[in-house]
Amino acid sequence: AQSVAQPEDQVNVAEGNPLTVKCTYSVSGNPYLFWYVQYPNRGLQFLLKYITGDNLVKGSYGFEAEFNKSQTSFHLKKPSALVSDSALYFCAVRDIWDDYKLSFGAGTTVTVRA
Amino acid sequence: DAGVTQSPTHLIKTRGQQVTLRCSPKSGHDTVSWYQQALGQGPQFIFQYYEEEERQRGNFPDRFSGHQFPNYSSELNVNALLLGDSALYLCASRELQGRNTEAFFGQGTRLTVV
Repeated sequence: AQSVAQPEDQVNVAEGNPLTVKCTYSVSGNPYLFWYVQYPNRGLQFLLKYITGDNLVKGSYGFEAEFNKSQTSFHLKKPSALVSDSALYFCAVRDIWDDYKLSFGAGTTVTVRA
Repeated sequence: DAGVTQSPTHLIKTRGQQVTLRCSPKSGHDTVSWYQQALGQGPQFIFQYYEEEERQRGNFPDRFSGHQFPNYSSELNVNALLLGDSALYLCASRELQGRNTEAFFGQGTRLTVV
């Protein structure tokens, strides 16, 4: 079984401040981890992934995420948030031995105020 | 590259009716997954198709069925629609042979059951 928890429904930050969106996961084996972003009335847009290797992963639009195996976490970060980063963010996990199923968290709404 | 395309974008159906949603995967991708995203929730895995066969299925009733064609495109069929089937239906594709590849999502079909 695999699952994802995003403990915060909403995150509010001021433009220019650091942004963190939290994610913890559970898988039977080792994980592949992903972050997606969703803008209103749109599909999911891929931001970044952790497969193996360096625990700090860099992705699109200045986002990065840190994989922590002992804490089973994969928090999304951006050093300086923009108003245009306001969107719905989803963390997802797939067991490396499962070719098919992605399990998503419930999502975190990020609002960046000018 | 057109990416993942879904049709139609919006659909309104009456309870008890049947609906067919369509998906064309991103060029070079051979596996298609379908997800249901209810309002305020994360996407839930319905099933995945590879080589024209259903490979894995999530916790959805048999009213949900699908098909994959030789050109890798896919259909999702839902019979005997219920009000609770109202959701955004997302199609995702990826290249299965690259086990660590990310899924690319379409814009979704918004289904409203009245």
